[in-house]
Amino acid sequence: SQQGEEDPQALSIQEGENATMNCSYKTSINNLQWYRQNSGRGLVHLILIRSNEREKHSGRLRVTLDTSKKSSSLLITASRAADTASYFCATEYGGSQGNLIFGKGTKLSVKP
Amino acid sequence: ETGVTQSPTHLIKTRGQQVTLRCSSQSGHNTVSWYQQALGQGPQFIFQYYREEENGRGNFPPRFSGLQFPNYSSELNVNALELDDSALYLCASSFGTGRATEAFFGQGTRLTVV
Repeated sequence: SQQGEEDPQALSIQEGENATMNCSYKTSINNLQWYRQNSGRGLVHLILIRSNEREKHSGRLRVTLDTSKKSSSLLITASRAADTASYFCATEYGGSQGNLIFGKGTKLSVKP
Repeated sequence: ETGVTQSPTHLIKTRGQQVTLRCSSQSGHNTVSWYQQALGQGPQFIFQYYREEENGRGNFPPRFSGLQFPNYSSELNVNALELDDSALYLCASSFGTGRATEAFFGQGTRLTVV
């Protein structure tokens, strides 16, 4: 079973707009990570946020974490066509041995 | 591009056959995890190897087995293939276990069972 659920399942925007994706999860976590996947290839790590952090930035990416609501959001600002990909949240929870539990992903399409 | 390489990139097998997938971990990493990703789904954890020992397993039957070698490369073996085993198989390498660490994924092996 999958721990995280991304919302929306698909998102289509114009280049230059911001894209916001949300992730909800079920159990308490140690950390939450976001990954990007291009066309069914390997996953690329984007950002990791620990359970005691509320917000992190990396370039055009901004991630927030609300442990009281068991949710996280990924914001991509000033999107580019190259950002077109599927985005997954993955949680690492207490008792795991470092394995990640992924959601089903949000498919982002950025139109030039 | 990460330093994680998987082989082969694509594979077609017949139901009932056996398959071995290979993964070379990134230099300096001692942990390899395997994931199965069905079409339109997120990756699902199969198992993890740390220093040549299985260190955790997801909800997969025993016909999914693995190995990790002294150089930390790894194999995933699947016996008695079923049609539902058709998926992208991803391996991820990292350093250590049980702590927040970035996982580096290979490009995957696309397995089709006919």
